[in-house]
Amino acid sequence: GAVVSQHPSRVICKSGTSVKIECRSLDFQATTMFWYRQFPKQSLMLMATSNEGSKATYEQGVEKDKFLINHASLTLSTLTVTSAHPEDSSFYICSATGDREHQPQHFGDGTRLSIL
Amino acid sequence: GNSVTQMEGPVTLSEEAFLTINCTYTATGYPSLFWYVQYPGEGLQLLLKATKADDKGSNKGFEATYRKETTSFHLEKGSVQVSDSAVYFCALTTSNTGNQFYFGTGTSLTVIP
Repeated sequence: GAVVSQHPSRVICKSGTSVKIECRSLDFQATTMFWYRQFPKQSLMLMATSNEGSKATYEQGVEKDKFLINHASLTLSTLTVTSAHPEDSSFYICSATGDREHQPQHFGDGTRLSIL
Repeated sequence: GNSVTQMEGPVTLSEEAFLTINCTYTATGYPSLFWYVQYPGEGLQLLLKATKADDKGSNKGFEATYRKETTSFHLEKGSVQVSDSAVYFCALTTSNTGNQFYFGTGTSLTVIP
C-alpha cells in the first residue's frame, strides 16, 4: 500500500529555534499533501493544503509566515515552524494523496514537537 | 457544507464484546467515506472505505456500510480484542473539495481483557 514517511518523529528544542519537518511519499506521486496539527485527545486540525509546485493554501487562523510549507516535488513536502515558541508544541501530522478523486489520504506517523 | 459527526467516547469494552461506533455526515456533492485508526503516538492508518451508497468497507474484522438514506457510516466489529484499543476517526471527502478530508472528532476505544 501507499507509504508516507514523516521525519523526525520527535523534536525537542529551545524557544526561538526553527524546526523543519519532512513528509515523503515513498511509493506514489503525491499531487496534494496536507499538514495537520493535533492537540491531545482531539481531532486533527487542518493547517494547510499544498500542491506540488504551487503555494500552499492555509486555513483561516494559521499564520503562513510562521508555518512555512514547501512542496517542491511530487514526493516531498516540508513544514518549517519558524521561531518556535512553547505554544507551538504539538503533534504535527502530514498526509498525501494522488490526483484522482475520492482517493484515501495516506498519513505519516506524525512529529511530536516540544518547545522548551 | 461538509461535516462528520461521530459518537463521543471514550468507549470501554471487554474483550470479545461487540463494537459499534456511530458516524453520520452531511455533504455537498457525493462523498466517499472512510474510517481511520490512530494508535498512541502514531499517525492515522486507513482502516476501510466506501465510495458509493450501499458499499460495505471491511478490514481486520471491522465493517461499515455506506447508508445514503440515513447519511451514516457506522463502524462495527463483532468481537473486539485488546489490540483494537485506539482512536477511530470517521472522515469524508467529496469531488468538489480538492481531496480535502473532513474528520470527525475521534472516538477512543479501550478494550480490557
